[in-house]
Amino acid sequence: EAGVTQFPSHSVIEKGQTVTLRCDPISGHDNLYWYRRVMGKEIKFLLHFVKESKQDESGMPNNRFLAERTGGTYSTLKVQPAELEDSGVYFCASSLGQGRHTQYFGPGTRLTVL
Amino acid sequence: GDSVTQMEGPVTLSEEAFLTINCTYTATGYPSLFWYVQYPGEGLQLLLKATKADDKGSNKGFEATYRKETTSFHLEKGSVQVSDSAVYFCALSDRTYKYIFGTGTRLKVLA
Repeated sequence: EAGVTQFPSHSVIEKGQTVTLRCDPISGHDNLYWYRRVMGKEIKFLLHFVKESKQDESGMPNNRFLAERTGGTYSTLKVQPAELEDSGVYFCASSLGQGRHTQYFGPGTRLTVL
Repeated sequence: GDSVTQMEGPVTLSEEAFLTINCTYTATGYPSLFWYVQYPGEGLQLLLKATKADDKGSNKGFEATYRKETTSFHLEKGSVQVSDSAVYFCALSDRTYKYIFGTGTRLKVLA
């Protein structure tokens, strides 16, 4: 069974540009999460999808970030326009259910904004 | 709110040394506790977990016991190897959906 995959693995962009990150969850996992680790700090929750619906986006930093999950399969996280402080590693995770269900993480996308 | 505090790194050990990485938490209710590991160039992998007080999670020679009285979940291994070099994250889940992570502890094991 394939794990959570993320694309790209690395992205280097200029301030003001747009970047779109993609996450493919484990097949059959309705729950999909985005997290971010900035500058060696803790990994912080960004948002949670159940199928195609946003369950909680309280961790999204501001309206430059837009997450979508059309059709309830893969998800995209778009940053537009990117700022220097957006640099970090963006992790995606998926789980079969909520609560006690373990979240399985992808390899992350390292975003560098210059 | 809920939080996780883990010891700062890097932790540098010689091969076969004993490892302890401290983790304490603050939470309302009874969270599940996790240790995740990130090897160089790879993603986060679940190392072990415990879902209730006094549970012991174990995997690959690593162990951690859920201590409610001290709100701790310290990671231990009796004899580390060079291949254990990685960043270790302690995390909790309050049975909803959000995971709350510590800042991570980098472990370097020298041959």
